[in-house]
Amino acid sequence: NAGVTQTPKFQVLKTGQSMTLQCAQDMNHNSMYWYRQDPGMGLRLIYYSASEGTTDKGEVPNGYNVSRLNKREFSLRLESAAPSQTSVYFCASSSGGIAEAFFGQGTRLTVV
Amino acid sequence: QKEVEQNSGPLSVPEGAIASLNCTYSDRVSQSFFWYRQYSGKSPELIMSIYSNGDKEDGRFTAQLNKASQYVSLLIRDSQPSDSATYLCAVNDGNNRLAFGKGNQVVVIP
Repeated sequence: NAGVTQTPKFQVLKTGQSMTLQCAQDMNHNSMYWYRQDPGMGLRLIYYSASEGTTDKGEVPNGYNVSRLNKREFSLRLESAAPSQTSVYFCASSSGGIAEAFFGQGTRLTVV
Repeated sequence: QKEVEQNSGPLSVPEGAIASLNCTYSDRVSQSFFWYRQYSGKSPELIMSIYSNGDKEDGRFTAQLNKASQYVSLLIRDSQPSDSATYLCAVNDGNNRLAFGKGNQVVVIP
C-alpha cells in the first residue's frame, strides 16, 4: 500500500531555478494538501485542494503555484526558488470534510 | 488567522510515567481534532482523532476534548523510550483546512 508518494525525496536548487514537486495518492481521497515544515515553525499550509479542479491558498502561498492534475495528483511548483524556500515539504491527503490527513514521506529542499 | 497553540517546551518524562500534552485552538467552529507523532526526519503519523467532547482512549493514548474551553489534550500512559518524538496537534475547521500547532518534543528517559 503506497498511500501518499512524493518525488523527489531530496533536491538542491540554485537561487532562481524552478522545479515541481510531485505528489500522488492511491487512497481515492478528495482533498490534498501541501505543507512546509521549518525548525520551530511547525507545519504551515501552503495550498490545498478540496476536490479535483479546485485549489485554495493556505497560510504561506507566496512564491508557489499548484496544480490538481486529477484526483490522484497534486503538484507544487516553485517558479523562481529563493533561499527562504529551503524547507521540508510534505504532501498530505484526506477523504475530505472533517477527516484526518495522511502524509507522504516528505521532500527536503535546499536552495543555495 | 486560525491558530493552534502548543506552548509547552520539551517534556522529559521517566520511563513508565504519564506524559501530558496540551493544545488550544482559536476557531470555535472547529470540528475535528488530531494528534500526530513525528520522529526526527520522518513524516507525521496519525495516532489519535477526536470529534466530540470527552475522552477517547486507544491503547496507552488518551485524547481529551473540551470544545467550550477550546482545548484538546493527549495523555501517554506508561511512557516508553519509543514514545520519544515530537507530537503535533491538528485542528480541522470542517472546510478542508487542517491547521497544526508547532509541536511538543517528548523525551522518555529510561
